[in-house]
Amino acid sequence: QVQLQESGPGLVKPSETLTLTCNVSGGSISTYHWNWIRQPPGKGLEWIGYIYYSGSTNYNPSLKSRVTISVDPFKNQFSLRLNSVTPADTAMYYCARSSSVWDNWFDPWGQGTLVTVSS
Amino acid sequence: DIQMTQSPSSLSASVGDRVTITCRASQSISRYLNWYQQKPGKAPKVLIYATSSLQSGVPSRFSGSGSGTDFTLTIDSLQPEDFATYYCQQSYSTPLTFGGGTKVEIK
Repeated sequence: QVQLQESGPGLVKPSETLTLTCNVSGGSISTYHWNWIRQPPGKGLEWIGYIYYSGSTNYNPSLKSRVTISVDPFKNQFSLRLNSVTPADTAMYYCARSSSVWDNWFDPWGQGTLVTVSS
Repeated sequence: DIQMTQSPSSLSASVGDRVTITCRASQSISRYLNWYQQKPGKAPKVLIYATSSLQSGVPSRFSGSGSGTDFTLTIDSLQPEDFATYYCQQSYSTPLTFGGGTKVEIK
């Protein structure tokens, strides 16, 4: 079965760039949409965006100016870059697969990685 | 953006109770409504997709209903492992959005 695992720095300084990678195992990254979702401590869930294996993307307008999601089909992984971070970007970041290209409910999810923005 | 409003934001219930959580969309989303369960320190887990389809492996005490703008998640005979936070999510259009969550606590 498909499993996802996030990796990246747990601490990022304000104004710098947050970069995370999601490794997909147990299945191919071809087909499906691949998502990033975040959750600030004690708060709800926010969808950041998704990428298709071909490279086409769809971002949340609230973050679009700062977000880039990329995919590496050869490594079976996809990545998130979030520029100009502030403490408000402190959150648990999850990667997740969409159910299909025609519907976007999320399963499976990675375990999540906590990113703190602080100097 | 489609706003998703859940109610209540929290509730206290006893083992064996029937629990109903509601989710309202700011515009019609047909049946593109999904429910997740999240336990502390864990990633969310999908329970129900497309309003009423039970994800594989999810107990049948969970059920969903609704269409358009109003949806419900029902847990029949609440079990100890069901104490968690529940989120609805619309997949009708992007940006994909979630409700604010409902925390189900032990009475």
